[in-house]
Amino acid sequence: GENVEQHPSTLSVQEGDSAVIKCTYSDSASNYFPWYKQELGKGPQLIIDIRSNVGEKKDQRIAVTLNKTAKHFSLHITETQPEDSAVYFCAAPNNNDMRFGAGTRLTVKP
Amino acid sequence: DGGITQSPKYLFRKEGQNVTLSCEQNLNHDAMYWYRQDPGQGLRLIYYSQIVNDFQKGDIAEGYSVSREKKESFPLTVTSAQKNPTAFYLCASSIKIMRQGVMGYTFGSGTRLTVV
Repeated sequence: GENVEQHPSTLSVQEGDSAVIKCTYSDSASNYFPWYKQELGKGPQLIIDIRSNVGEKKDQRIAVTLNKTAKHFSLHITETQPEDSAVYFCAAPNNNDMRFGAGTRLTVKP
Repeated sequence: DGGITQSPKYLFRKEGQNVTLSCEQNLNHDAMYWYRQDPGQGLRLIYYSQIVNDFQKGDIAEGYSVSREKKESFPLTVTSAQKNPTAFYLCASSIKIMRQGVMGYTFGSGTRLTVV
């Protein structure tokens, strides 16, 4: 089955700086890669996703890049704001479900 | 608004009791899932269901049970056999769960279960 690894586990940045979170996956057949944001005490919310037919996707201050050859994808957040502070999860499809990375706790310091 | 509703938000269980967590969706999704989240950890799959009256064990099914009598509902029972049930439980649903086309993977707001 699919195995997803995520780094770093914690990330602290100054407001206005960029943040990058990286994930690797094991199954070369996987072709859909979502990112979720989880705020304290809430369920994860989808923030952006990418399919394998594109290498990059942007939505305002967030972007995701995909390198299928290396089997890794990354989340990029530019001009970070305090409200970006949360736990972020990457994921990839397994046989009958999604497999999630262990999460990255992002702290944006004002 | 379409979405997934989990209830209750907080649940307390005494030793030796079974408790049931509710999950209801009105997204017309075929597949539903239960995950367990421990502090500082990722999401571990407990059970999933691809269709009504069918469900499969995930990675950590021991001590849990589910049913899928209706498309909209996928309740999770935490039994007394689950020795360490204190955790945050998340329900999710999706349109499709094929390897090449998982779509609409949506989470509920979670239930925090505490053993007292």
